[in-house]
Amino acid sequence: EAQVTQNPRYLITVTGKKLTVTCSQNMNHEYMSWYRQDPGLGLRQIYYSMNVEVTDKGDVPEGYKVSRKEKRNFPLILESPSPNQTSLYFCASSLTQAMKDGYTFGSGTRLTVV
Amino acid sequence: DQQVKQNSPSLSVQEGRISILNCDYTNSMFDYFLWYKKYPAEGPTFLISISSIKDKNEDGRFTVFLNKSAKHLSLHIVPSQPGDSAVYFCAASPGVQGAQKLVFGQGTRLTINP
Repeated sequence: EAQVTQNPRYLITVTGKKLTVTCSQNMNHEYMSWYRQDPGLGLRQIYYSMNVEVTDKGDVPEGYKVSRKEKRNFPLILESPSPNQTSLYFCASSLTQAMKDGYTFGSGTRLTVV
Repeated sequence: DQQVKQNSPSLSVQEGRISILNCDYTNSMFDYFLWYKKYPAEGPTFLISISSIKDKNEDGRFTVFLNKSAKHLSLHIVPSQPGDSAVYFCAASPGVQGAQKLVFGQGTRLTINP
């Protein structure tokens, strides 16, 4: 089944403890992206990647890192999480540069930082 | 600054009637507009898109209308069904140079009443 897989689905952590949210897609998509969803703000883009080793900042990149060493994987790294990073995170991938069919999204990771 | 806005946080419609969801945008360089549907505990799923060179696109019960002069788009669902109850996000793509920077609105929660 074609899909974007994120892990974990739920995570509670403490301030300052480094964490990684993994993302993998099995559709051979070139483009991948990370979004966070917050009440009243919709989805905001954190980082995106156009190909292996090519990444760029989205609208809210502060406090996050990403890497794209392989085409299928696009992990999101929080080096020193803070409570304002408590959010619902989505990874997404797209086959084409044009957004006619948009992104395919994963099921989400709900992160709580205490 | 919110480039894509959905000013109605919620909408309630009777089953069988038409649902109309609205979205406004500020950036005239957007070249694709998309609608996503999101159920609780799932990622957003792509519904329908429209190119900026068109004013209407139809797919079954779903029709998207684009009014470029007013910088406004709308999604019509006819007839509305209980399974349409979800949060709907509109999104816009900034064009080939920045196509991957898909920008989302805040979302509208649609409830279909039996």
